[in-house]
Amino acid sequence: AQSVTQLDSQVPVFEEAPVELRCNYSSSVSVYLFWYVQYPNQGLQLLLKYLSGSTLVKGINGFEAEFNKSQTSFHLRKPSVHISDTAEYFCAVMPTGFNKFYFGSGTKLNVKP
Amino acid sequence: EAEVAQSPRYKITEKSQAVAFWCDPISGHATLYWYRQILGQGPELLVQFQDESVVDDSQLPKDRFSAERLKGVDSTLKIQPAELGDSAMYLCASSLGARSYEQYFGPGTRLTVT
Repeated sequence: AQSVTQLDSQVPVFEEAPVELRCNYSSSVSVYLFWYVQYPNQGLQLLLKYLSGSTLVKGINGFEAEFNKSQTSFHLRKPSVHISDTAEYFCAVMPTGFNKFYFGSGTKLNVKP
Repeated sequence: EAEVAQSPRYKITEKSQAVAFWCDPISGHATLYWYRQILGQGPELLVQFQDESVVDDSQLPKDRFSAERLKGVDSTLKIQPAELGDSAMYLCASSLGARSYEQYFGPGTRLTVT
């Protein structure tokens, strides 16, 4: 069975400050890992993904994430956020060999001026 | 850039009424997904199509929900009768194939049941 935990439902941060959004997962099989962003009343847009190889993954809009197998985590980071980063962020896992996503409950990032 | 199209974007309906949502995937994408996203939660897969065939509908409430993709292109999701608990965002996504890990999401249909 798979589960994804995003412990922080909301993260407030000031513009130009760094941010980390936490994601932990549980799975009995190996997984691919993803971060998606959702702007209000829109669908999900892929930020980045980890399939294999280097554990540090770079995505769009200056975001990056690091896969930590021992801690079963895939935290999302950005060194300096902008107002436009205000959105909801979803972590997701996909068991390898199965084309099915399991999403976390989301973290709302609120960037303040 | 090709996109997944959904309509309507917003729908308000009374409980016990029927409602339908439409999705047009990216051209050439064989796999189509319908997700339900309840406020404050992540998306949950309702049904997955490979061409015109259902490959996973384990989370679809089959007593009131139905989905079809008759020609293996666009798809319709129907709820009859709608209940208050069905209020949610309904997202459609598509991918090249069943082994493709990259899914492309449409803008969603926001359903409110009163």
